[in-house]
Amino acid sequence: DVQLVESGAGLVQPGGSLRLSCEASGFTFSDLFIDWVRQPPGKGLEWIGRSKDKAYNYGTEYAASLKGRFTISRDDSKNSLFLQMSSLQTEDTAVYYCAAIRGVFGFWGRGALVTVSS
Amino acid sequence: QAVVTQEPSLTVSPGGTVTLTCASSTGPVTSGHFPYWFQQKPGQAPLTLIHETNKKHSWAPARFSGSLLGDKAALTLSGAQPEDEADYYCLISSGGARVFGGGTKLTVL
Repeated sequence: DVQLVESGAGLVQPGGSLRLSCEASGFTFSDLFIDWVRQPPGKGLEWIGRSKDKAYNYGTEYAASLKGRFTISRDDSKNSLFLQMSSLQTEDTAVYYCAAIRGVFGFWGRGALVTVSS
Repeated sequence: QAVVTQEPSLTVSPGGTVTLTCASSTGPVTSGHFPYWFQQKPGQAPLTLIHETNKKHSWAPARFSGSLLGDKAALTLSGAQPEDEADYYCLISSGGARVFGGGTKLTVL
């Protein structure tokens, strides 16, 4: 099985930036598509974007509403995926999940809470 | 970007059968949208039940099944158990992105 662990979450002021990390284990990282998903308190899931695997040249896809503020990157040497978030606003407060959800993969991290507040 | 619509809430009796659906604003949901279904209980990360319309993950109980029903993707629960009370989300691929539905709160009562 694939294990995913998010880190880097916490409190950030409005207008600030934050970088989340997702470390994967249990599978060859370069063969994984990995998504970022978020969930505001008491609300539904929102797809942020994803990084494709090495065979797809690590291409990225984003939700149209977030493209430009959120950037996904990866470092295969560290088995890690990153989500760089900028110009954060209070509505970006959410639990952020990384997930390997493609084909036979259906694995999620436990999530990490990002709070945007002054 | 598509807007994906699910029933906000449904109720099923223990042992009963219920079907949750997932519709897209851009037209019929097909296998080409690679529909997924997830279950989420309070305070937990989502659990992937179904991938690519009707393929069940090994950890998903046999009472869950996925399909296409008319113009929608569907998740059917046959023989509901109290532990199936949860939020359920569908996810489809559309226009180079993925979109979640708003979720269905399923009550077993």
